[in-house]
Formats: sequence, structure tokens, C-alpha cells
Amino acid sequence: NAGVMQNPRHLVRRRGQEARLRCSPMKGHSHVYWYRQLPEEGLKFMVYLQKENIIDESGMPKERFSAEFPKEGPSILRIQQVVRGDSAAYFCASSPGSGSSPLHFGNGTRLTVT
Amino acid sequence: GESVGLHLPTLSVQGGDNSIINCAYSNSASDYFIWYKQESGKGPQFIIDIRSNMDKRQGQRVTVLLNKTVKHLSLQIAATQPGDSAVYFCAENFGTGNQFYFGTGTSLTVIP
Repeated sequence: NAGVMQNPRHLVRRRGQEARLRCSPMKGHSHVYWYRQLPEEGLKFMVYLQKENIIDESGMPKERFSAEFPKEGPSILRIQQVVRGDSAAYFCASSPGSGSSPLHFGNGTRLTVT
Repeated sequence: GESVGLHLPTLSVQGGDNSIINCAYSNSASDYFIWYKQESGKGPQFIIDIRSNMDKRQGQRVTVLLNKTVKHLSLQIAATQPGDSAVYFCAENFGTGNQFYFGTGTSLTVIP
């Protein structure tokens, strides 16, 4: 009965490189959410996806960031040409439907840009 | 012990005492709220939720109170234990799905 799985747990990238963060939702969940957390701050909503569709990307920077949730496989958050300000913890959460219900979070990917 | 959420982000309580963590939310139209607990190095963990048609909900050792008039939530933890030490976030629902705005968080430290 696995929960939300994220990998890698830690990712180090040099400025200008690409970062790919993966998220497998809980079994039976078809809605995925990505959040970013800076040190000692709350989580900030980035993007909400269903299989093959982006539902709400209002919290995602317009440039360098993209997300997908293909028909098969995990959801991917992709950050191109990373900068130091991208260093943060990125959390994925899933829910079974779109109705108001608790999100189940993974343990995050800690991205460090050097 | 009691915190004022955004203005007092740390709270220390003696083990066995009750804790109260407060949170102000922004949107009077929000109709669903959750309290999460986050331990160091982990993702947020669901504690308790409440919908806007209620003003109080109880769980095991936890109670959430909702005051829609002043847009205020509180989390009460009874008989606080060392394992309760963590950062606590309130979250309010927005959008068409389960998008949430998270508060800044309150760090709770339980003194044995």
C-alpha cells in the first residue's frame, strides 16, 4: 500500500543544467499536484495535473518550468537551465478525485543548485 | 501554550499540556480547510480537516475550530507529547480541485 513516491530524494545540479523530478501518485489516484517549499516557509502551489492534462498551472513560473503527467508512468516536473533560486524542496501530492479531499504528500525532492 | 500563527511562528509547550496553534486565512469564499504536520525531512502529513458548514471537528487528541466571521482557524492538541514536535500548517482550498494555499507554519516544540 505504497504512498506517494518521489525520486530522487536529493538532486544536485550546476547552474544551467536541467533538473527532472519524478512523482508516482498513490494507487488509484489520478490527480497530481506539485508544490515548492523554500527553507522555513510554507508550501506554494505550482501545478495541478490529471492524466495527460494540465488543469491549473497558475503557480508555475512561465519560463524554464514545465510539468507533465503522461498516460503511463510518473508525473515529471522539469526545470531547465536551473538557477540558484530554484534550490528548494519540491513536493508532489495526489488525490483520488477533484472534490475537496486531503492531499497525500510524498517526502519531496530536495534540489540544490550549485 | 498558544501561538498567533503568522506573527509568532514558534511555540514551546511542556509535555502533557494542551497546545493551540492559530491561523488566519485569506479568502472568505474558501470552504474546506486542512491542518498538516510536517516533520523534518518529510512531506506534510494530514491531521484533520473541516468544511465551512461546520465550526468544530474533533479527532484523536486534536480539535479544529473554524471562525468564518473573522477567517480564523485553530488547532488544539490535547496532552501534547514529544512526538508532536513538528511544524504545523493550515491550508485553505481554492480552485476546481484540491489546490491549497498553505500558511507560513508554526513550529511546535514539546519540552519533555
